[in-house]
Amino acid sequence: KAGVTQTPRYLIKTRGQQVTLSCSPISGHRSVSWYQQTPGQGLQFLFEYFSETQRNKGNFPGRFSGRQFSNSRSEMNVSTLELGDSALYLCASSLVGTQTYEQYFGPGTRLTVT
Amino acid sequence: AQSVTQLDSHVSVSEGTPVLLRCNYSSSYSPSLFWYVQHPNKGLQLLLKYTSAATLVKGINGFEAEFKKSETSFHLTKPSAHMSDAAEYFCVVSNYGGSQGNLIFGKGTKLSVKP
Repeated sequence: KAGVTQTPRYLIKTRGQQVTLSCSPISGHRSVSWYQQTPGQGLQFLFEYFSETQRNKGNFPGRFSGRQFSNSRSEMNVSTLELGDSALYLCASSLVGTQTYEQYFGPGTRLTVT
Repeated sequence: AQSVTQLDSHVSVSEGTPVLLRCNYSSSYSPSLFWYVQHPNKGLQLLLKYTSAATLVKGINGFEAEFKKSETSFHLTKPSAHMSDAAEYFCVVSNYGGSQGNLIFGKGTKLSVKP
């Protein structure tokens, strides 16, 4: 089975712009979670989508949004980029219905805001 | 409330010597626990998981972890370190439906392996 894929892998944007990141989960996985990873804050949960619905949301401003499509692929959008949004954005998929909810991560998208 | 504490931010070992990465957890219910590894500029890879079956869990690449309820610990060990083990390791506790997501991550332990 193919793993979780994320595109693009690297992105450079200017402050004030917006960006869209894409994630394709493992085939059959219907839950997709997004995380932001920075050296200072570590891994922080952004949101989780399941069956095209946002099921859970972390403590991030409304500039961060996401969606999920009927094929379980997910996108996240960040509007009005700030320098502090520079981070590695990780997507993870899981097979809902198992006991453990272990998540499988993609390679991440490295976003640099200048 | 669920939480996890990794007791060392950085561990350095010599190649061929044992590895011990320490993790304590707090959970209001019987948790699932995981260890993930992240190599530089890569995503996170699941090393092993504990799901209330055997308390000694074996993972990939020779790693194992022991769940000790009385000590609320889930330490990661490996008998003999290899250069390729140099990476950052995250201890993770389940948090199903919690506002921080289904998984709560520790701050990470960076493992260095000296030749």
